Amino acid sequence: EAGVAQSPRYKIIEKRQSVAFWCNPISGHATLYWYQQILGQGPKLLIQFQNNGVVDDSQLPKDRFSAERLKGVDSTLKIQPAKLEDSAVYLCASSLGGVSYSEQYFGPGTRLTVT
Amino acid sequence: AQSVSQHNHHVILSEAASLELGCNYSYGGTVNLFWYVQYPGQHLQLLLKYFSGDPLVKGIKGFEAEFIKSKFSFNLRKPSVQWSDTAEYFCAVNALGAAGNKLTFGGGTRVLVKP
Repeated sequence: EAGVAQSPRYKIIEKRQSVAFWCNPISGHATLYWYQQILGQGPKLLIQFQNNGVVDDSQLPKDRFSAERLKGVDSTLKIQPAKLEDSAVYLCASSLGGVSYSEQYFGPGTRLTVT
Repeated sequence: AQSVSQHNHHVILSEAASLELGCNYSYGGTVNLFWYVQYPGQHLQLLLKYFSGDPLVKGIKGFEAEFIKSKFSFNLRKPSVQWSDTAEYFCAVNALGAAGNKLTFGGGTRVLVKP
């Protein structure tokens, strides 16, 4: 079974530039998550989708971050404009979804460096 | 809102030593509890989980964790570590009833096992 795919794996940009990350979840997984993991910290949930609807985006900095999952499968996360403090690993995870908790499977992440 | 704290940021030990990593959470309701591991260069993967029942749970690679409800703790243990256990370990909590079944992670503990 293929895992969660993410691209690119690494990205270096200057502050005020924009960047986009892509995630393809495990086939059949209805729920998709984007996490931000700053060096030395645990992952922090940015946004959660159930199919193509947003379930939780309470910790997404909406003035600069946006995410979409238009067809309920793959997803993109965008930062515009980037700040130095956005340097982090951006993790995508997916799960089967449903009312009760189902295990989340993580992708390899995209390491973003903002200079 | 729930929070998770891990007591040690870094642990260094020798092969065959015993390992115990502390994890405490704050949430008044029912929780599901997890330990994730991230080996160097790899993505996050589930080590073990507690949903209900026997508070002593066993995971992969000889790891176990004990849920002590009165102490809001879920400590991870391994009686005898190997060099291959060098990794970063994250405790995570899923608060039942909270919107979206999201995971809240602790800050992580980096474990270095010396050969």
